[in-house]
Amino acid sequence: DAGVIQSPRHEVTEMGQEVTLRCKPISGHNSLFWYRQTMMRGLELLIYFNNNVPIDDSGMPEDRFSAKMPNASFSTLKIQPSEPRDSAVYFCASSFKAREFRNTEAFFGQGTRLTVV
Amino acid sequence: DAKTTQPPSMDCAEGRAANLPCNHSTISGNEYVYWYRQIHSQGPQYIIHGLKNNETNEMASLIITEDRKSSTLILPHATLRDTAVYYCIVPGIRNTGNQFYFGTGTSLTVIP
Repeated sequence: DAGVIQSPRHEVTEMGQEVTLRCKPISGHNSLFWYRQTMMRGLELLIYFNNNVPIDDSGMPEDRFSAKMPNASFSTLKIQPSEPRDSAVYFCASSFKAREFRNTEAFFGQGTRLTVV
Repeated sequence: DAKTTQPPSMDCAEGRAANLPCNHSTISGNEYVYWYRQIHSQGPQYIIHGLKNNETNEMASLIITEDRKSSTLILPHATLRDTAVYYCIVPGIRNTGNQFYFGTGTSLTVIP
């Protein structure tokens, strides 16, 4: 397996523009996590999906952020409108969770470095 | 989720064992301890996890105390490529499933 695949690797956009980050989890995994990393705040969990359903979105900072998982092999994180303070590295991770059991170890993608100017 | 406490930074001489401690005094009986590391600019990398018994894999060993209130990650022969931030995580068991929350970790520098 190629691992968790994120695109694009780098994104530079102007303030006010819509940004869409993409993630393809590892085949067979049914849990997906989106994280944001900045120097100031470290690695923050934004949202957690299980079986394509958002389970915990308490980390999503504002209504400008939205995430979807239309199927088991694809997820998007959208920021609309983007602001300079959204500049960060965004990571996607996936794992497997059997019913009633814990998530197995999560594997991370290489991240998308977002710069909003 | 059980809170974890790690020293902010450590140094280790190349070729020596690196012992990274983690306190998780509020851990409950069915919560696992996970270790990840993040090399600069890369995504976090899974290292090892355990519940009660000591664990070893090709990357590291994990020693968990009998009362499970603390653990130590051991890199037996540290190399320069092991320089990274190491995170100790105890995902909680919730109705929502156990998410992985990262703290500030330990920045390990391996010195030539």
